[in-house]
Amino acid sequence: DQQVKQNSPSLSVQEGRISILNCDYTNSMFDYFLWYKKYPAEGPTFLISISSIKDKNEDGRFTVFLNKSAKHLSLHIVPSQPGDSAVYFCAASAIGAGSYQLTFGKGTKLSVIP
Amino acid sequence: ETGVTQSPTHLIKTRGQQVTLRCSSQSGHNTVSWYQQALGQGPQFIFQYYREEENGRGNFPPRFSGLQFPNYSSELNVNALELDDSALYLCASSLVARNTEAFFGQGTRLTVV
Repeated sequence: DQQVKQNSPSLSVQEGRISILNCDYTNSMFDYFLWYKKYPAEGPTFLISISSIKDKNEDGRFTVFLNKSAKHLSLHIVPSQPGDSAVYFCAASAIGAGSYQLTFGKGTKLSVIP
Repeated sequence: ETGVTQSPTHLIKTRGQQVTLRCSSQSGHNTVSWYQQALGQGPQFIFQYYREEENGRGNFPPRFSGLQFPNYSSELNVNALELDDSALYLCASSLVARNTEAFFGQGTRLTVV
């Protein structure tokens, strides 16, 4: 039973345009959400996070939006750059419930075309 | 400040054998978590160690075990290897038990034949 779902295995975007990566979750105990980026032969790299008490968090070109009622979050990358091409993982944890494990989605492979 | 390092980077083992994977956490981090990433899947939580004690475990059988040492480095041991254990094993360290902004190593690619 997938508690964190990334329904798009891949996404192609032109350089300079906006990339939108989506993530849905089913566990209502999740209260902290993170996005990681992974290049081949490297470990995941932390990008940005959001607590369930917020609905938006920005860091430079990256913005994460959280819609708790829909159990949905999205990562916006503006403008997209070729170096953003990687696999993006959505992850969630239930810190308030004392569980610090991260539950990951299967990932979305982003390709930014020059 | 050194990042998270894992050894070895690649490993081939035979079904039924035992394997030990190692992880050095980032300087100052006292919490280490281990994840298994099968091909085409996201990482799956195996367990976490905080101050040398197991601090949470995912849905993995007891033949997956671990240790954390006083310097916060860690080992993942897998006994009686099965073909399905073939995966990328990732170690992540964080300053405290909460995994916000956990830092991952590059992983160990284990192949069981």
